[in-house]
Amino acid sequence: QSALTQPASVSGSPGQSITISCTGTISDVGVYNFVSWYQQHPGKAPKLMIYDVSDRPSGVSNRFSGSKSGNTASLTISGLQSDDEGDYYCTSYTTTYTYVFGTGTKVTVL
Amino acid sequence: EVQLVESGGGLVQPGRSLRLSCAASGFIFDDYAMHWVRQTPGRGLEWVSGISWNSATIGYADSVKGRFTISRDNARNSLYLQMNTLRVEDTALYYCTSDPNSSSRGGHFAYWGQGALVTVS
Repeated sequence: QSALTQPASVSGSPGQSITISCTGTISDVGVYNFVSWYQQHPGKAPKLMIYDVSDRPSGVSNRFSGSKSGNTASLTISGLQSDDEGDYYCTSYTTTYTYVFGTGTKVTVL
Repeated sequence: EVQLVESGGGLVQPGRSLRLSCAASGFIFDDYAMHWVRQTPGRGLEWVSGISWNSATIGYADSVKGRFTISRDNARNSLYLQMNTLRVEDTALYYCTSDPNSSSRGGHFAYWGQGALVTVS
């Protein structure tokens, strides 16, 4: 199972919106709505930000939103803040009953 | 407060074995599926294995199938990963994660421990 494809880096100024893409195949992202997104700060464990494509866990800011079209899922961060800097990973359930992660995206707030 | 605390990591020679444990608290353990996810600087995050609430459904990544065994003890609120025939490429930080989809299929990783470092060298 190959990793989902994410851009290596995305940047934006405070207050702007950015979108991170996550491209898979018809065996994962394209067939299931079991896509989730994780934020990771240096030296910390990942934190769940979005699950089931677009649902937000309790406590996660509504500045984070998710969507999906075909084999590509997306995470949008609006009103970018300095604390949003970090690494972001997507993951999807697959048709072989496994999970596959994305390659990861480094978000920089300019 | 949800807590997942991994233990059992360390330095081990190739071909040897190691057993990781994860102690869970702050939630109803047997309402959740559990997973192990590992992270390396070079390969990012990788799902390793998952187990349903009642141990009826278990899955493994191809990279560890036949060498690693996941198990859980609901009475002890604990998750385990028995790692045999370890390889250099198994070197990673191993995270224990909880999944509110109790079947372990089509879920997500809601809570994470701080990780246990396994070095195979």
